[in-house]
Amino acid sequence: DTGVSQDPRHKITKRGQNVTFRCDPISEHNRLYWYRQTLGQGPEFLTYFQNEAQLEKSRLLSDRFSAERPKGSFSTLEIQRTEQGDSAMYLCASTGQLNEQFFGPGTRLTVL
Amino acid sequence: QKEVEQNSGPLSVPEGAIASLNCTYSDRVSQSFFWYRQYSGKSPELIMSIYSNGDKEDGRFTAQLNKASQYVSLLIRDSQPSDSATYLCAIRPGGAQKLVFGQGTRLTINP
Repeated sequence: DTGVSQDPRHKITKRGQNVTFRCDPISEHNRLYWYRQTLGQGPEFLTYFQNEAQLEKSRLLSDRFSAERPKGSFSTLEIQRTEQGDSAMYLCASTGQLNEQFFGPGTRLTVL
Repeated sequence: QKEVEQNSGPLSVPEGAIASLNCTYSDRVSQSFFWYRQYSGKSPELIMSIYSNGDKEDGRFTAQLNKASQYVSLLIRDSQPSDSATYLCAIRPGGAQKLVFGQGTRLTINP
């Protein structure tokens, strides 16, 4: 399967703990995006990378959130000191030359 | 005003009929428009993209774009129960790389 992959698929954590998610984009896709989706809403943009450079961050991305894409391939999204309001589906997408975004399966985070 | 607005539904359509999904947007300089399908508990799946005014057809799906009216729609012909899902409209605002999504329309096809 050469699609976008995300790990883990599900994460349950206690409030105050740190969590890290990984995204592997479609190979050769140079743009990678993170979105967050809550129940009944469309995905909301968090941040995006072109190669290893983080070019845009949403105001939704508080100081507790950090994302990296150190070698321009996979990316990680870390949430520090999780809060119950962080419970959501975290989606990763990548684009190639056509600039169409293809999503991975997502990581569902539950903060207790 | 939200950047992208959709009727949240639910929209119920009998099997075999045409399902019509609508979306309006506020950014006049948007150039790229997308429809995603999302099954419950799954991630969004790209089904159509449209960049120019008019219609674009792909199998049973037709996307329609009217930039003057800031309106984009998706028609699904010969609706099947497997089309039951939430349909998300997304735009790429002018000059941006991110997508802005509507809240989605829940579509149910009744056998």
